[in-house]
Amino acid sequence: DGGITQSPKYLFRKEGQNVTLSCEQNLNHDAMYWYRQDPGQGLRLIYYSQIVNDFQKGDIAEGYSVSREKKESFPLTVTSAQKNPTAFYLCASSMGARGRSTEAFFGQGTRLTVV
Amino acid sequence: QQQVKQSPQSLIVQKGGISIINCAYENTAFDYFPWYQQFPGKGPALLIAIRPDVSEKKEGRFTISFNKSAKQFSLHIMDSQPGDSATYFCAASRTDSNYQLIWGAGTKLIIKP
Repeated sequence: DGGITQSPKYLFRKEGQNVTLSCEQNLNHDAMYWYRQDPGQGLRLIYYSQIVNDFQKGDIAEGYSVSREKKESFPLTVTSAQKNPTAFYLCASSMGARGRSTEAFFGQGTRLTVV
Repeated sequence: QQQVKQSPQSLIVQKGGISIINCAYENTAFDYFPWYQQFPGKGPALLIAIRPDVSEKKEGRFTISFNKSAKQFSLHIMDSQPGDSATYFCAASRTDSNYQLIWGAGTKLIIKP
């Protein structure tokens, strides 16, 4: 089945610890995105990548880092510099500039909690 | 100019009624307007989308109405069912920005049985 897989589904982080959220897609999509969603809130863009080995900051990139070494993978690291990391994190992908369709496909999300 | 404003923030509709969610935008360069549906604990999924060359698009009980001159578009859910209870997001994108989506803030819809 084609789709986006995020892991883990739940993640607990201690104060001062870095954690990495995994996102893998087998849709052959060029573009990948990371969003943060707080309870009752909308989607805020953290980072996005239009092509392998290239990525750009979104609206709330501080305290986060990403890499895009493979087309299929776009991991997000939540660093200790992110002071309020408890949130629901969503990864998405789309065809990007190649296709006229801009449909974004989302993973099931990772719920990160600071303990 | 990049914003998409969505209203209302929350909406309660009786079963069988019509649910209406509205979005407004400023950037006339936007050329793709999708609606996404999100159930609790899940990622959003595309529900229906429209381009500005048409004023209305219908898929089953879901209809997008698009008013280019007013720079507004809305989602209508006819015969609303409890299973439609979810959070709905509108979005907009531009061809010249590689179709990067600009999101509305979301509407939490509750359908009362």
